[in-house]
Amino acid sequence: ETGVTQTPRHLVMGMTNKKSLKCEQHLGHNAMYWYKQSAKKPLELMFVYNFKEQTENNSVPSRFSPECPNSSHLFLHLHTLQPEDSALYLCASSLPGDEKLFFGSGTQLSVL
Amino acid sequence: AQTVTQSQPEMSVQEAETVTLSCTYDTSESNYYLFWYKQPPSRQMILVIRQEAYKQQNATENRFSVNFQKAAKSFSLKISDSQLGDTAMYFCAFIDSNFGNEKLTFGTGTRLTIIP
Repeated sequence: ETGVTQTPRHLVMGMTNKKSLKCEQHLGHNAMYWYKQSAKKPLELMFVYNFKEQTENNSVPSRFSPECPNSSHLFLHLHTLQPEDSALYLCASSLPGDEKLFFGSGTQLSVL
Repeated sequence: AQTVTQSQPEMSVQEAETVTLSCTYDTSESNYYLFWYKQPPSRQMILVIRQEAYKQQNATENRFSVNFQKAAKSFSLKISDSQLGDTAMYFCAFIDSNFGNEKLTFGTGTRLTIIP
């Protein structure tokens, strides 16, 4: 256990549903990240938050909406997703300026 | 743009043997960090080993060591005395030390299976 917890572990949703992914860390980190992991592709960085402020949006479609209410929690709100959005969504955290990332176990998302 | 290439999608080795995973990268920078991350079936990515480009000495962490060839832009991971718990996806990653983690670049991964 590295201190980064993601829920739910699995999620199946229809294209018209609205759902949210949750990430929580108790490591005292101030930087949090969302990554998308698809089969046979490199991890894709989606969003970065530093001290609750979004510092990176890697050209992610607006159907993905992040929220960072405090340094310990990160959400990814999902709506009107497409089947190609099916993937493993990983959350990570780090100390600012530290290149070592701590990852959660991810949410395996299936969009039907 | 930096790229990271892992040319071995899958590998398998007998328990207790040594295995080497390959990684090459492309960059014009001179100061950077390289990493190997492990993702077991639990899906939680864990940092295995880290190498600073300015250090000539290869990093070592217990049974894990790297062969860092800066001129060749090669960064291979050697796992000695392999154990069943080493079965996982292994990702090579690169970051320019002038940038933050938003510039961390991963390879496509190597699926390693340790055979009992």
